[in-house]
Amino acid sequence: SQQGEEDPQALSIQEGENATMNCSYKTSINNLQWYRQNSGRGLVHLILIRSNEREKHSGRLRVTLDTSKKSSSLLITASRAADTASYFCATTPSGNTGKLIFGQGTTLQVKP
Amino acid sequence: ETGVTQSPTHLIKTRGQQVTLRCSSQSGHNTVSWYQQALGQGPQFIFQYYREEENGRGNFPPRFSGLQFPNYSSELNVNALELDDSALYLCACRREGPRETQYFGPGTRLLVL
Repeated sequence: SQQGEEDPQALSIQEGENATMNCSYKTSINNLQWYRQNSGRGLVHLILIRSNEREKHSGRLRVTLDTSKKSSSLLITASRAADTASYFCATTPSGNTGKLIFGQGTTLQVKP
Repeated sequence: ETGVTQSPTHLIKTRGQQVTLRCSSQSGHNTVSWYQQALGQGPQFIFQYYREEENGRGNFPPRFSGLQFPNYSSELNVNALELDDSALYLCACRREGPRETQYFGPGTRLLVL
């Protein structure tokens, strides 16, 4: 079963706007990762945040992690049409050897 | 470019047949995991291989099996295919250690008729 719950399931914004996606999970984790997937193809790794980190930035991406609430958010600033994709959070449970547990994803559409 | 390749890209099989999917990665990625992604869903963990042995398995029946070779390439075998096995199959490779980033291949889309 999926551990992560992502919210919203779908998001449609205009180019230039910011997009925020949220992820909740159920168990304690080693780390949380965000991935992007275009048109049902392979997953592209965006960013990894460890359980002892609270915030991380990479280019136009900002990820936060709140382990007390078991939740994370991904913010994409100044969105572009090329950001149109599905976004997934994936957790590695504590004590696990690397298995990733994915949420069902957020489908983002950025309109030009 | 993740350095992870999968073959074939697409495959059509009929119910009851067997299929073998392949995955290879750049040197140093000694751990490989396989995931099944049904349409509209997130990927689900099938199993993981490290040093040619399975060291973790998800909720999949024994007809899903795998191999990892000394060069770290891997195979996923599925016997007695069922219609519900239709999905995108993804492999993910990484270096040893649960904190290491996993790099995904482009996937193999399997259709079972």
